[in-house]
Amino acid sequence: GAVVSQHPSWVICKSGTSVKIECRSLDFQATTMFWYRQFPKQSLMLMATSNEGSKATYEQGVEKDKFLINHASLTLSTLTVTSAHPEDSSFYICSARDPSARGRSYGYTFGSGTRLTVV
Amino acid sequence: AQSVTQPDIHITVSEGASLELRCNYSYGATPYLFWYVQSPGQGLQLLLKYFSGDTLVQGIKGFEAEFKRSQSSFNLRKPSVHWSDAAEYFCAGGAQKLVFGQGTRLTINP
Repeated sequence: GAVVSQHPSWVICKSGTSVKIECRSLDFQATTMFWYRQFPKQSLMLMATSNEGSKATYEQGVEKDKFLINHASLTLSTLTVTSAHPEDSSFYICSARDPSARGRSYGYTFGSGTRLTVV
Repeated sequence: AQSVTQPDIHITVSEGASLELRCNYSYGATPYLFWYVQSPGQGLQLLLKYFSGDTLVQGIKGFEAEFKRSQSSFNLRKPSVHWSDAAEYFCAGGAQKLVFGQGTRLTINP
């Protein structure tokens, strides 16, 4: 089945530095990828939708200059948290949609998540 | 706007007992609906999905869910839970993008 690989699984960084998280579709081409953020004991909040070759669409309240999303190829999307601060500490999860998988799961496959801790 | 609501934040059941987790949705048209399970610190695993057709859908791990348009519900059920079912369960809906419910934490008593 479709597999989405997300790296790193956890990262600790100093306040003020930037962190990049990668989301790769391993066996399918993902024209659309999604980035979610999850605070402890809370639900997943959609941050942005990235489409290959075009600008990401950010949800209301998400700072596009702080959370940079790049979807330069059909198998890779990256989320860069710029000038990270402790309040950015969270669990970030990506999801990719396989347009050919409509009959199976409507193509949503999730990565295993990245735990970001900013100290 | 589309929305998904899970009324129960936390549910505790005894091992071997039946389970029902509630999910209500709000959409303009027939939504695509999903149930996911998440273990601590892990990603999401798809349990089952509904697009159209038979309103009772079977999923993995013995779970099933029933789509009821009249009640705008998509409740998840399992006839007999196991200790390994303890986790966070999320209902989600949408077509172009997924919107998640608040989640229900399931605790299993031995």
